[in-house]
Amino acid sequence: EADIYQTPRYLVIGTGKKITLECSQTMGHDKMYWYQQDPGMELHLIHYSYGVNSTEKGDLSSESTVSRIRTEHFPLTLESARPSHTSQYLCATRSTSGANVLTFGAGSRLTVL
Amino acid sequence: QQQVKQSPQSLIVQKGGISIINCAYENTAFDYFPWYQQFPGKGPALLIAIRPDVSEKKEGRFTISFNKSAKQFSLHIMDSQPGDSATYFCAAEKGSNYKLTFGKGTLLTVNP
Repeated sequence: EADIYQTPRYLVIGTGKKITLECSQTMGHDKMYWYQQDPGMELHLIHYSYGVNSTEKGDLSSESTVSRIRTEHFPLTLESARPSHTSQYLCATRSTSGANVLTFGAGSRLTVL
Repeated sequence: QQQVKQSPQSLIVQKGGISIINCAYENTAFDYFPWYQQFPGKGPALLIAIRPDVSEKKEGRFTISFNKSAKQFSLHIMDSQPGDSATYFCAAEKGSNYKLTFGKGTLLTVNP
């Protein structure tokens, strides 16, 4: 089982609040990703990182920001949450050696009231 | 522009039946085609994957069929079980890209 930890698992907050979703991994993988999953299932890549101090925006535009100061951490921040940000956020990692598999965490389900 | 089109959106199968989910892609540069399985409250997990140098790959009850000329690939679940009830995603990627593009997902329900 993959060692990817996402916290919090569930979060309900009011509009305008700042939130940070944490993602950490113990596998030393260089590549990390954030996907947003709609209530209807579809997965959209919103951010990715190929190493420390490297971050890129994904295919779906997002008002969130990310940072990669350490290999094992890839937090996602929303400065001012809105109801449109209500979604499930999935963190994933990938090794570029061996099996080269994209491995997901359990997700953080965010509800903005 | 949706690069990976998945169908059906939902599927109901009786226990012991065959579940078939189809995907079509547009980018001929794609060279890696995985299928992911997601249970409620969990992240997706890799189920099986194929590269275009083979037309079929089988792992237990799960088989990927790949048709390069038609730009289509499908997942077949033989002897479907209630425990297979989950959401299934196909995906595709150009090897050096390391960014998977996912289909919209198929909700499979296997009735006992």
